[in-house]
Amino acid sequence: GAGVSQSPSNKVTEKGKDVELRCDPISGHTALYWYRQRLGQGLEFLIYFQGNSAPDKSGLPSDRFSAERTGESVSTLTIQRTQQEDSAVYLCASSLRQSGANVLTFGAGSRLTVL
Amino acid sequence: DQQVKQNSPSLSVQEGRISILNCDYTNSMFDYFLWYKKYPAEGPTFLISISSIKDKNEDGRFTVFLNKSAKHLSLHIVPSQPGDSAVYFCAASAWDYKLSFGAGTTVTVRA
Repeated sequence: GAGVSQSPSNKVTEKGKDVELRCDPISGHTALYWYRQRLGQGLEFLIYFQGNSAPDKSGLPSDRFSAERTGESVSTLTIQRTQQEDSAVYLCASSLRQSGANVLTFGAGSRLTVL
Repeated sequence: DQQVKQNSPSLSVQEGRISILNCDYTNSMFDYFLWYKKYPAEGPTFLISISSIKDKNEDGRFTVFLNKSAKHLSLHIVPSQPGDSAVYFCAASAWDYKLSFGAGTTVTVRA
């Protein structure tokens, strides 16, 4: 597609449930990133994929968070046993990762609310 | 550890005047700096970037200035327009290409 697509756009879940968030990056973009933005805060790095491998998972907050990428395309971020502090907008971005400034193109985000 | 800081959470400016947004960083290994703009319910969109070997980059109404010795950069918007009302994020990257973002500055352009 022309841009980065994320689904669902909104998700309300109960504490303790598992959620899956999906990202379709721009076709041909080898690098894919997940960030999250809590209310009133900046963008917090979660994980980065180059192709299908994740060389940097340093931002994942706990072992309840995991992500995978397949076919050097779609990525899924999974949060198990959700907690209220997981409520945030989860943003996916992709880039060509060429030399020069690494310009990330972001999706519109998935807003997660944990009750 | 916040490596990129935007100390002004908000800025109000009159239409037609200059908007100046500031950003400080701590990591001397950063080699590229970027500014993103974000409207509500949308993802951030890229605005302008600057390499660490430059001190100025201009694109239309937007100019970014970099002062490496002070570890400081600024974004100037001249003239400010109502459509510029948004949240602006400063970001920086080092060799690993991961972008570190500041907390953002909300700009409101008054008619």
